[in-house]
Amino acid sequence: GAVVSQHPSWVICKSGTSVKIECRSLDFQATTMFWYRQFPKQSLMLMATSNEGSKATYEQGVEKDKFLINHASLTLSTLTVTSAHPEDSSFYICSAAKDRGGETQYFGPGTRLLVL
Amino acid sequence: EDKVVQSPLSLVVHEGDTVTLNCSYEVTNFRSLLWYKQEKKAPTFLFMLTSSGIEKKSGRLSSILDKKELFSILNITATQTGDSAVYLCAVSTQTDKLIFGTGTRLQVFP
Repeated sequence: GAVVSQHPSWVICKSGTSVKIECRSLDFQATTMFWYRQFPKQSLMLMATSNEGSKATYEQGVEKDKFLINHASLTLSTLTVTSAHPEDSSFYICSAAKDRGGETQYFGPGTRLLVL
Repeated sequence: EDKVVQSPLSLVVHEGDTVTLNCSYEVTNFRSLLWYKQEKKAPTFLFMLTSSGIEKKSGRLSSILDKKELFSILNITATQTGDSAVYLCAVSTQTDKLIFGTGTRLQVFP
């Protein structure tokens, strides 16, 4: 149990376009979902925390107008990178938790974004 | 500012060697420390440590936490090529966040 999927796995887009990444909890209801970004050879950096039906809480330095997060249901959260630029190229990983998170986060397989 | 620091950044060993990975932290509202293994995709969970001095073991892997000195170690004995990965240390806080360390890249050669 506790499987999290992400779609797509890989996306290549042109600069200036928007990209949507989906994160789904397949066999449980996720009260909380987290979005992380990982640059090459660096660690995971938390971008935002989202709770179903409410606005996401963004970490310091993360632009909420650029990284739109929607947690529309207990099994789905989406991250939209708006007007993507090459510096947004990164590995985006979501995690989902049945409760408030912390230790009990289940990670998705990640989405690799390349902006040309 | 909360931080988690891992050392070394990178390690190259031969199969059969034993390795020790280090993780030190300065985190307010500490709740637990976790170790993950990451092989090109999402991290997979290895251990969660909450109490000092109690070793957790899983096969050739073991880990221990020292809450007084604020560090943890992850030991891997008799390494195999399949152990090659990035090992991440993360601290869970009372505010339900995970703060990740920089990671240690381990390469095991035959």
